[in-house]
Amino acid sequence: QKEVEQNSGPLSVPEGAIASLNCTYSDRGSQSFFWYRQYSGKSPELIMSIYSNGDKEDGRFTAQLNKASQYVSLLIRDSQPSDSATYLCAFFTGGGNKLTFGTGTQLKVEL
Amino acid sequence: KAGVTQTPRYLIKTRGQQVTLSCSPISGHRSVSWYQQTPGQGLQFLFEYFSETQRNKGNFPGRFSGRQFSNSRSEMNVSTLELGDSALYLCASSLGSTGGGETQYFGPGTRLLVL
Repeated sequence: QKEVEQNSGPLSVPEGAIASLNCTYSDRGSQSFFWYRQYSGKSPELIMSIYSNGDKEDGRFTAQLNKASQYVSLLIRDSQPSDSATYLCAFFTGGGNKLTFGTGTQLKVEL
Repeated sequence: KAGVTQTPRYLIKTRGQQVTLSCSPISGHRSVSWYQQTPGQGLQFLFEYFSETQRNKGNFPGRFSGRQFSNSRSEMNVSTLELGDSALYLCASSLGSTGGGETQYFGPGTRLLVL
């Protein structure tokens, strides 16, 4: 079983719609979860962090964490063409600051 | 605050050569982590340095090494380059105050091409 799994996409949504990105992980000991956005040719940029079960909202972004189901998701409301990017989920494993990343979901917001 | 900086941004080397990449973390950050990103393997953790000591290491061969200086700046070195080492090398910094599990901020990366 892979440590983290994401649908690679591409996920296409029309402008103004809600985009839903999902990630499952295998390490039940994981406590910290992150969503990064990566534009083509650029480095990852932190979007959200979430540590507790439930929802966390920041502007148009909502992260959802369910530790019992080992599932973390990112909702993007009112999707804009500028949201078109690859979204990477990540969590800490093995102590220290070792982040394990999913393979990323490519999101395309269409006009 | 200035963000994480990495030099050089682009590099072309030939097989068998070695390369050194540099990373300067955000001011006040003491932990530096290095990652390799390739289309086939995605983002993979190389190692983390904190207070000039390697605190964590990923599953990469010994050709990949690093170090950290007293000002928290870090370098990574790849010796005897192979074609498969072509990748985007990313450095991420974090405060380093809690022993781990902290938010990491990435630099722009160094894109290495091995011919």
